[in-house]
Amino acid sequence: DTAVSQTPKYLVTQMGNDKSIKCEQNLGHDTMYWYKQDSKKFLKIMFSYNNKELIINETVPNRFSPKSPDKAHLNLHINSLELGDSAVYFCASSQDPQLTAKNIQYFGAGTRLSVL
Amino acid sequence: AQKVTQAQTEISVVEKEDVTLDCVYETRDTTYYLFWYKQPPSGELVFLIRRNSFDEQNEISGRYSWNFQKSTSSFNFTITASQVVDSAVYFCALSEYTGGFKTIFGAGTRLFVKA
Repeated sequence: DTAVSQTPKYLVTQMGNDKSIKCEQNLGHDTMYWYKQDSKKFLKIMFSYNNKELIINETVPNRFSPKSPDKAHLNLHINSLELGDSAVYFCASSQDPQLTAKNIQYFGAGTRLSVL
Repeated sequence: AQKVTQAQTEISVVEKEDVTLDCVYETRDTTYYLFWYKQPPSGELVFLIRRNSFDEQNEISGRYSWNFQKSTSSFNFTITASQVVDSAVYFCALSEYTGGFKTIFGAGTRLFVKA
């Protein structure tokens, strides 16, 4: 069973479109995250949700809107896609948002978004 | 501010050579965690190790070993007798609690192991 699963794996779309990436975890974790990896492989956190509530929001354009219908899901919706949004987006989850010995972030396989 | 520096952008070695990947971090917190992740060509992120800031013991896992030194703020990763399957991008990361569990990644080191 895949612990953190993202769909789709690849997404190719035109500039200006709206698209969503879905993430689900079956680990029973309370906390989920979205990271963006750019073309230079640089990984940066975008958002973090704990029990459906936003707890980390980095400087991300408001075209990006995460939605957490329940604590097992954290979807990422992107409006008016731009060329610079092309990247690999990783979802992750952890047991809780605390910095404890038990807490490890488990990552999904990534979604490669290409905006043409 | 927290920061993770992996000064080596790319390293190329021949199979069976030992290779060390460097990681230097900056943080003002006394409680933090350090990680190494592997990203093979297939793209997924694979967790390798986590150390907390209070545990400076070195760790060995098979051909992998890690050297954590708080005095130099470094957490270096050595692969002994490298193999072609070790070819990947390796990320060092630092986690702190700043209202939420936040992980800062280094820029990654791309390792090429040639047969």
